[in-house]
Amino acid sequence: DAGVIQSPRHEVTEMGQEVTLRCKPISGHNSLFWYRQTMMRGLELLIYFNNNVPIDDSGMPEDRFSAKMPNASFSTLKIQPSEPRDSAVYFCASSPRTSDYEQYFGPGTRLTVT
Amino acid sequence: AQSVSQHNHHVILSEAASLELGCNYSYGGTVNLFWYVQYPGQHLQLLLKYFSGDPLVKGIKGFEAEFIKSKFSFNLRKPSVQWSDTAEYFCAVKGDYKLSFGAGTTVTVRA
Repeated sequence: DAGVIQSPRHEVTEMGQEVTLRCKPISGHNSLFWYRQTMMRGLELLIYFNNNVPIDDSGMPEDRFSAKMPNASFSTLKIQPSEPRDSAVYFCASSPRTSDYEQYFGPGTRLTVT
Repeated sequence: AQSVSQHNHHVILSEAASLELGCNYSYGGTVNLFWYVQYPGQHLQLLLKYFSGDPLVKGIKGFEAEFIKSKFSFNLRKPSVQWSDTAEYFCAVKGDYKLSFGAGTTVTVRA
């Protein structure tokens, strides 16, 4: 199994630009999670999808952030417009189901907004 | 709401020393508990997990953790560390679906 796939691995962009992060969960997993990791705040859950439906987006910092999951094998996290404080590592994780299973993490996307 | 507290921010020790990382959580219901490790520049990998049953859980790479329900704790241990154990270690608790992470403990093992 290829594991959770994220792209790009690194993204450098200028403030104000739109950024799109992509995630392909492990085949057969029906839960998908987006996390953000920073030195100041650690690992934070941004949004959680179950069966392609957003269940909890309370961790999304503000309206500049949006996430979609058009099908079971693909999700995007978009930041528009981006700001320097969005610089972080963004992880996607998937799980076979929400209970009694661990989450499998992707390699992350390191985002730098200048 | 669930939360996780890790006692140590940074631990430095020599090879062959024993390691114990503290983790306490708060959650009113049944929890699933995890320890994840993040090696430098890499993504999070599962070390071990507790769902039910034997409270002493054995994981990969010689790590183990003990769930003490009365203390709301899930401490991670390894009897003899290696240089390759240098990494950041995260304790996590899952109540319903949400995985809440502790702040992490950076472990530096000196050769």
